[in-house]
Amino acid sequence: DGGITQSPKYLFRKEGQNVTLSCEQNLNHDAMYWYRQDPGQGLRLIYYSQIVNDFQKGDIAEGYSVSREKKESFPLTVTSAQKNPTAFYLCASTSQGAGTEAFFGQGTRLTVV
Amino acid sequence: GEDVEQSLFLSVREGDSSVINCTYTDSSSTYLYWYKQEPGAGLQLLTYIFSNMDMKQDQRLTVLLNKKDKHLSLRIADTQTGDSAIYFCAERSLTGGFKTIFGAGTRLFVKA
Repeated sequence: DGGITQSPKYLFRKEGQNVTLSCEQNLNHDAMYWYRQDPGQGLRLIYYSQIVNDFQKGDIAEGYSVSREKKESFPLTVTSAQKNPTAFYLCASTSQGAGTEAFFGQGTRLTVV
Repeated sequence: GEDVEQSLFLSVREGDSSVINCTYTDSSSTYLYWYKQEPGAGLQLLTYIFSNMDMKQDQRLTVLLNKKDKHLSLRIADTQTGDSAIYFCAERSLTGGFKTIFGAGTRLFVKA
């Protein structure tokens, strides 16, 4: 079955460490996205990529980095520069066109310890 | 810029109808979506409507769009405890590229 997979489901990070969240899709979608979800604030866009080897900053990109070396994969690195990284992170993908729905992964909950 | 707003909480009794409201700001041709998020999970698309439509019905779900007021609503008939979740309104403009703008989500509580 086609879908989008995030791993791990739970991740703990010590202060000052970088961590990488994985996102893989086998839907043959061109566009992929990372969102951050905090209670009562909905989804905020961190980065998005429309094609391989290209990506753009979203609304809250500071302290995060991404790569898009393969169409199927869009990993997110939370760097030590991100001052408040504890949150629920969601990856999504869409095919071309404005009317298509976004398919979401199950999310990764990152906690700083 | 584009913005999508919705109330944060709604509580209903089992068997009643739920109505979740949303307003958006983009005035261009737009797709409007309702997504459902269960605890600790990703979002799943419930239904969507294009901005040239007034209404869309799908089983227990009815979407109403007032384009003049930029107001969207989702009505869930015969609400069940399994409908308890967060419901996100989202919009995607034909001129907005790939970006989908989400509201903050409405948490629906269904009391037995």
